Amino acid sequence: DAGVTQSPTHLIKTRGQQVTLRCSPKSGHDTVSWYQQALGQGPQFIFQYYEEEERQRGNFPDRFSGHQFPNYSSELNVNALLLGDSALYLCASSSQTYEQYFGPGTRLTVT
Amino acid sequence: LAKTTQPISMDSYEGQEVNITCSHNNIATNDYITWYQQFPSQGPRFIIQGYKTKVTNEVASLFIPADRKSSTLSLPRVSLSDTAVYYCLVGDDGTASKLTFGTGTRLQVTL
Repeated sequence: DAGVTQSPTHLIKTRGQQVTLRCSPKSGHDTVSWYQQALGQGPQFIFQYYEEEERQRGNFPDRFSGHQFPNYSSELNVNALLLGDSALYLCASSSQTYEQYFGPGTRLTVT
Repeated sequence: LAKTTQPISMDSYEGQEVNITCSHNNIATNDYITWYQQFPSQGPRFIIQGYKTKVTNEVASLFIPADRKSSTLSLPRVSLSDTAVYYCLVGDDGTASKLTFGTGTRLQVTL
C-alpha cells in the first residue's frame, strides 16, 4: 500500500513565476492538507481539502491556492513566486482522524 | 490554540532513555497532546497521542500529569536512528484538524 506521494521532488523557479505541486493521498484517505516548512522551522499549515472543497485555511496569501480532484489527489498552486516562498512543501492525508500521514515533500527553490 | 514550549535541542547516548518535556499551560478541555517525529528531508511521522495519564505504544510512552499543563515523551533505549526533530502539538481531536507545529526539539543520539 503506497503512502502519500508527492511530485516533483525538487523544483527551481524564478521570482514571479507560477508553480504547481501535486499530491496523492494514502489509500483510503479523503482529506488532504498542505504545509510549508522553511529551513529550521516547523511545518506551517496552508490549507486543507475535503470533498473537493477548501475546508480550512492558514495564514497564507491568496497567491496560494489549491484543488482536490474526485480521486482525492490534490494540487497546490503558488502564483507570483517570491524568494521567501523557498521551502519544503509537505502534503498530508487523513481520513477524518487527527493522525495525518505526510509525504516526503517537494523542495521548492525560488531564485 | 494552545501554545507549546519545548527544549530546542537535546543530546543522548545510544541505549539511554530520553525524556522530552513540553509545556502547554493554556491547553483547553477538548485538546489532545500529540507528538510527531521528523527526519531530515522527510515529512513528520505520528508517534503517539494522549489526553491524560499515560499512553504507551511500541515506539514511545507519553506521560501527562493531572493538570495537563505539560507532557513528557519518553523514548526507551534510543539508537542512532532516533536522531530527529520531535514536535509536541496540542489541539482539538476533531476530524482531520489542522496541525500547529512549533520549532520542535532536535534530538542528537551518539555512540
